[in-house]
Amino acid sequence: DTAVSQTPKYLVTQMGNDKSIKCEQNLGHDTMYWYKQDSKKFLKIMFSYNNKELIINETVPNRFSPKSPDKAHLNLHINSLELGDSAVYFCASSQFGRAEETQYFGPGTRLLVL
Amino acid sequence: AQSVTQLDSQVPVFEEAPVELRCNYSSSVSVYLFWYVQYPNQGLQLLLKYLSGSTLVESINGFEAEFNKSQTSFHLRKPSVHISDTAEYFCAVSGAGSYQLTFGKGTKLSVIP
Repeated sequence: DTAVSQTPKYLVTQMGNDKSIKCEQNLGHDTMYWYKQDSKKFLKIMFSYNNKELIINETVPNRFSPKSPDKAHLNLHINSLELGDSAVYFCASSQFGRAEETQYFGPGTRLLVL
Repeated sequence: AQSVTQLDSQVPVFEEAPVELRCNYSSSVSVYLFWYVQYPNQGLQLLLKYLSGSTLVESINGFEAEFNKSQTSFHLRKPSVHISDTAEYFCAVSGAGSYQLTFGKGTKLSVIP
């Protein structure tokens, strides 16, 4: 069984559209994250939720809105997609969100905005 | 604030040769240090981490890293690389009391047969 799963794996869409990426973890973890990896492989935290509560919200356009219906799911909704949103988006989770914990990553969603 | 510098963006090395991937960090608090590996078209997975105690930490597949507080470094080494080690390697740091993991820009290790 996949520990952290994301859907879809690939997403190709037009500028201006709205899209969502879903993430689920079956590890029983309390904390989930969204990261953006750009074309140069640089990985940057976007959001973090602990038990459905937002705890990290980096400088991200408000077109990006995370939603956590329960602690096993953290979805990412993106409004009015722009060319610069093209990237790989990774979901991750950790047990309690403590600094020393290992984070477990999903396989990534490759978003291409045309 | 914390940051990570990976000095080499690409490291080509011949199979069975040794390799060192360099990582330096800065932080105003005590740190935890991590190396994650990303194989092609996959997510990241933990290779090894330093939390406290012995400054030398090892992974199950032959990599090791040494925490050097005075030089603020956490370099990753392997005495003999395999083709299967070809991947992107990310050094990361988190600080005590912080939720946030800060990544370096990654080093692409290419093992040449």
